[in-house]
Amino acid sequence: ETGVTQTPRHLVMGMTNKKSLKCEQHLGHNAMYWYKQSAKKPLELMFVYSLEERVENNSVPSRFSPECPNSSHLFLHLHTLQPEDSALYLCASSQDSGSVTGELFFGEGSRLTVL
Amino acid sequence: GQNIDQPTEMTATEGAIVQINCTYQTSGFNGLFWYQQHAGEAPTFLSYNVLDGLEEKGRFSSFLSRSKGYSYLLLKELQMKDSASYLCAVIDSNYQLIWGAGTKLIIKP
Repeated sequence: ETGVTQTPRHLVMGMTNKKSLKCEQHLGHNAMYWYKQSAKKPLELMFVYSLEERVENNSVPSRFSPECPNSSHLFLHLHTLQPEDSALYLCASSQDSGSVTGELFFGEGSRLTVL
Repeated sequence: GQNIDQPTEMTATEGAIVQINCTYQTSGFNGLFWYQQHAGEAPTFLSYNVLDGLEEKGRFSSFLSRSKGYSYLLLKELQMKDSASYLCAVIDSNYQLIWGAGTKLIIKP
């Protein structure tokens, strides 16, 4: 069982659809992150949860809605997305409580295509 | 603004040595990471530098000069499986991670 698991691995959706990305970490970490990865661009931090509380929201459009029901699970709810939202969405976890002092552990990502 | 620069793409030959550079301008410094990311896979941790100097780990070494805002990742005895993207990231004064866009390394036989 890998440390950080993301589902689905691939998702194609229309602009009017509602879908969710799921992330689960089996490492007992305190912090979880959503990142957006676009080709040839730096990773963009979207949301950070520390001990199930959101500690950072980097001006992300409201069509992205995170949810952290417990310290092991993180969701990203998607609604009325735009084609430019097509990207790889990476979930990560760390032992820290939101402030990075150590290594991040990443999932393999969910490749999202918005038509 | 905060910025991390690394080459977009590099090509090297199997068995050779390659050095991937990373320069950074950030508000403070609390450490620098290198991650490896194979296509379609998760980024995985390679190294962490917080003090000046060279850290060696098998075929991979990472160097840091804080005064120059500079790091490099050195890969020796290159293997085909080393074809991947290499991401440089800096922890700033607010303990937030600032990422570079990554260097795609292509290994040729």
